[in-house]
Amino acid sequence: GAVVSQHPSWVICKSGTSVKIECRSLDFQATTMFWYRQFPKQSLMLMATSNEGSKATYEQGVEKDKFLINHASLTLSTLTVTSAHPEDSSFYICSARAATGANVLTFGAGSRLTVL
Amino acid sequence: AQKITQTQPGMFVQEKEAVTLDCTYDTSDQSYGLFWYKQPSSGEMIFLIYQGSYDEQNATEGRYSLNFQKARKSANLVISASQLGDSAMYFCAMGPTLGGATNKLIFGTGTLLAVQP
Repeated sequence: GAVVSQHPSWVICKSGTSVKIECRSLDFQATTMFWYRQFPKQSLMLMATSNEGSKATYEQGVEKDKFLINHASLTLSTLTVTSAHPEDSSFYICSARAATGANVLTFGAGSRLTVL
Repeated sequence: AQKITQTQPGMFVQEKEAVTLDCTYDTSDQSYGLFWYKQPSSGEMIFLIYQGSYDEQNATEGRYSLNFQKARKSANLVISASQLGDSAMYFCAMGPTLGGATNKLIFGTGTLLAVQP
């Protein structure tokens, strides 16, 4: 079945630094990837839709300069949290849809970011 | 705007018993899909079951079944013969039908299920 890999699974960084999270589709090509954010004991909130070869589409209230998304190939999307602050600490999870076929979204295992 | 409501923040069930997790939704779209995902403590989201709005029969996948009542706008998940490994957070979600232009999903707040031995 379709597999989505996220790296790193967890990261701790200092306030003010930038952190990059990778989302890879391992055995299929993904024209579209979605980035979600989940605070403790809360639901997943869609942050942005990442489209291969074009700019990401951000949801209302999500700062595109803060959360940089790059989808340079059909198997890789990256989310960079720039100048991270403690309030950015969260669980970031990506999902991908195959380029062909009526496949269900496949989710990565998530990346837990802690900003000190 | 689409909205998913899960009114049960947490539930207990005895092992081997069946349990129903509630989900209601609101949408003005005629065509839509309803999804259930399981999120164990490790964090990954595991797809369980899908129901299209035009599907006449309720979806079933092994021990999972979806009680779809379109007029009531409800899509409850039924887990039969609960197992200890079923303990997890369960999310109901809505999006386009499978094969739609995007699969942008809107999630409910989730129900934490605890299976007791």
